[in-house]
Amino acid sequence: DTAVSQTPKYLVTQMGNDKSIKCEQNLGHDTMYWYKQDSKKFLKIMFSYNNKELIINETVPNRFSPKSPDKAHLNLHINSLELGDSAVYFCASSQNDLSGGSTDTQYFGPGTRLTVL
Amino acid sequence: AQTVTQSQPEMSVQEAETVTLSCTYDTSESNYYLFWYKQPPSRQMILVIRQEAYKQQNATENRFSVNFQKAAKSFSLKISDSQLGDTAMYFCAFMKRWSNTGKLIFGQGTTLQVKP
Repeated sequence: DTAVSQTPKYLVTQMGNDKSIKCEQNLGHDTMYWYKQDSKKFLKIMFSYNNKELIINETVPNRFSPKSPDKAHLNLHINSLELGDSAVYFCASSQNDLSGGSTDTQYFGPGTRLTVL
Repeated sequence: AQTVTQSQPEMSVQEAETVTLSCTYDTSESNYYLFWYKQPPSRQMILVIRQEAYKQQNATENRFSVNFQKAAKSFSLKISDSQLGDTAMYFCAFMKRWSNTGKLIFGQGTTLQVKP
């Protein structure tokens, strides 16, 4: 009964390529997020989506484009990959009502380790 | 802007003993949540415990408890009867309660090693 799942778990690719990471949650949550964990293990939010609408984009380059086809899915597409994009990317979800300003605990997926060569 | 600081990069404890991980934060908000997440070598981020700032009572979850000092902006995690499976990186995190972004702000993490 995986709550938040991500595919793939590992992704190794060449600089300049385009890649996607998929995320799905079966918790019935309204809000989904992408976080990046760098080589020093520091975690920082990239995007949050509420009911398929983009809420925040934390100064992420335009090469990163999240797409939410429905409330249960939030995919991350990365164009023209660079060495600095190597990191672990986490998807998370929570039962929020961001329009009403209500926030709740976030549950994380297993992470995707992206290595750009 | 809110910040979260974990001043202990690494800690170790003997199995069955008690250890306390420190966390301080800075905010002008009065209504917020604080969390401790655990990240074992498997990489999975696991929620350990959650504290609502408007509650004076410290949260507890089995062997895990917090010491929440709102005035001092301190939120430490106590692990009792440490087990080998507690070996992990622990992250303290802050979130505004009434937020239109749901943004979690993390500390730098503390690596905990439980020794047999």
